[in-house]
Amino acid sequence: EPEVTQTPSHQVTQMGQEVILRCVPISNHLYFYWYRQILGQKVEFLVSFYNNEISEKSEIFDDQFSVERPDGSNFTLKIRSTKLEDSAMYFCASSPDRDTEAFFGQGTRLTVV
Amino acid sequence: KNEVEQSPQNLTAQEGEFITINCSYSVGISALHWLQQHPGGGIVSLFMLSSGKKKHGRLIATINIQEKHSSLHITASHPRDSAVYICAVSDGSGATNKLIFGTGTLLAVQP
Repeated sequence: EPEVTQTPSHQVTQMGQEVILRCVPISNHLYFYWYRQILGQKVEFLVSFYNNEISEKSEIFDDQFSVERPDGSNFTLKIRSTKLEDSAMYFCASSPDRDTEAFFGQGTRLTVV
Repeated sequence: KNEVEQSPQNLTAQEGEFITINCSYSVGISALHWLQQHPGGGIVSLFMLSSGKKKHGRLIATINIQEKHSSLHITASHPRDSAVYICAVSDGSGATNKLIFGTGTLLAVQP
């Protein structure tokens, strides 16, 4: 069964460093999402991506964050100058069209120290 | 902005029991989703519904659009059903189908 793959599963980084979280969505999917879940809190929407551009973003998704689909298969989330409060589980999701349920990856746990 | 509330927050059941988890939301939606999150974090979509009722195995999801309320039922619960069950809604207003999540219900089914 096709699945969304995220790497790495766990990343530890020093405060102020840049991190790139990688996702390989399901191959025929067209809509891509990043969500995050701070420990003990609800999952929050960060950004959605369609047709090679950002479609929607939340107020969390400030200039510190960027997304890219560099090669038609990967979908990356870059966090510049990480802060302690960026520590969270980051989930990538994809769907074949706008109104179909999304498939989620297993998540990347980011720990900023 | 849609507020999604779930109850209960925590639920402990004995194996075999019938379980109900409730979800309410504040603003009209295009669809409601039930998802499952196991320890270790992965999220799996269980149901997406916009009206009526859906059934998959021992899981049943219902939605009442007028009352802005949905329920997830698990029949003949089993310890492997232990997980966090999350309700999420999409309002269909944006260019994409972003989800607004509830806080989740932690279910523990004891043998």
